[in-house]
Amino acid sequence: GQQLNQSPQSMFIQEGEDVSMNCTSSSIFNTWLWYKQDPGEGPVLLIALYKAGELTSNGRLTAQFGITRKDSFLNISASIPSDVGIYFCAGRIQGAQKLVFGQGTRLTINP
Amino acid sequence: DGGITQSPKYLFRKEGQNVTLSCEQNLNHDAMYWYRQDPGQGLRLIYYSQIVNDFQKGDIAEGYSVSREKKESFPLTVTSAQKNPTAFYLCASSMGQGASGNYEQFFGPGTRLTVL
Repeated sequence: GQQLNQSPQSMFIQEGEDVSMNCTSSSIFNTWLWYKQDPGEGPVLLIALYKAGELTSNGRLTAQFGITRKDSFLNISASIPSDVGIYFCAGRIQGAQKLVFGQGTRLTINP
Repeated sequence: DGGITQSPKYLFRKEGQNVTLSCEQNLNHDAMYWYRQDPGQGLRLIYYSQIVNDFQKGDIAEGYSVSREKKESFPLTVTSAQKNPTAFYLCASSMGQGASGNYEQFFGPGTRLTVL
């Protein structure tokens, strides 16, 4: 199936640092979603993006729908211990009904 | 509370046995989905249903079966034909076609299936 390239695969940072991750594809997307998954739990929706260039915030999280419609970015500012987890991007390709998921970015924070 | 429930949280079965995983939602969502997640990997779509009494295969449907007799329920059966069934199974739902925000999927807590 279609693939989303999510990077980095893992991040090890100090508490208080800012975090950036992204997803890219060769396909054009109409929707980008960002999820966070805690160990042993289901993913929780953080931010949804529907328009190219859209920039949306949810507290310390900010996500952007890339202008080319082939990528999306998630930033976390001033990281705290509860930010630890796996972050997934998901996108809906133009004309499709299903979502395509990235492989995830595992975030680890050193206190 | 509105949400998606999956039961049980942990499930153990002997090799060769079929097993059915439960997924119920009270969000009044039309569409429901089943995903499989293996360690260190993303989510892979098994089956999805956009309306009652209709469902489509996802990317890895072999060895699985589903039914959608009620809007609220979308059970997944892992059959003995599934070669490597041990995994974390996630159910999700979304509003469905024609509604704003209809592609936002909301997930249940997951069921971890271990086949011994």
